Amino acid sequence: GAVVSQHPSRVICKSGTSVKIECRSLDFQATTMFWYRQFPKQSLMLMATSNEGSKATYEQGVEKDKFLINHASLTLSTLTVTSAHPEDSSFYICSASSGGGDTQYFGPGTRLTVL
Amino acid sequence: GQQLNQSPQSMFIQEGEDVSMNCTSSSIFNTWLWYKQEPGEGPVLLIALYKAGELTSNGRLTAQFGITRKDSFLNISASIPSDVGIYFCAGQPRGAGGTSYGKLTFGQGTILTVHP
Repeated sequence: GAVVSQHPSRVICKSGTSVKIECRSLDFQATTMFWYRQFPKQSLMLMATSNEGSKATYEQGVEKDKFLINHASLTLSTLTVTSAHPEDSSFYICSASSGGGDTQYFGPGTRLTVL
Repeated sequence: GQQLNQSPQSMFIQEGEDVSMNCTSSSIFNTWLWYKQEPGEGPVLLIALYKAGELTSNGRLTAQFGITRKDSFLNISASIPSDVGIYFCAGQPRGAGGTSYGKLTFGQGTILTVHP
């Protein structure tokens, strides 16, 4: 149980375009979802926390107008990277939990490459 | 923000050897978690610790929640080639009412290489 999926697993886009990444909890209702970014050989850095039906809370230094997060249902959250640039190239990972303090289950990640 | 210091950064060991890694923090955590990440994948939870002093095992893995709430260690006994990967500690702070609050802070990771 507690499976989280992400789609797509890999995406390559041109600079200036927008990319949407989906995060789904397959067998539980995810009240809270988290979005992380991981650069090569580095740790996971939390970008934002989203609770179903409300606005996401962004970490300091993360531009909310650039990284749009929508958590419209208990099983789906989306991250849209708007006007992507090469420096946005990274591994984006979501996690989901059934409550704010409950165990987070991680998705397999999405490798974004911006040319 | 909160930071976790994880060490060592990397380890190169022979199959069959035991491994130990640890994390320390300048602040208290309510929950300590240990994850393993393989290349191109998301982290997978290995062990979760909820009480100071708690010692928990999962097969060949053993982890402890430090009594001060500011540190944790992970031991892997009799390592095998499939133990290769990056191991991360993560701390979850105390929220209102003493329960854990969702945000995780991750350590820098320990890269484990096991030679057959």
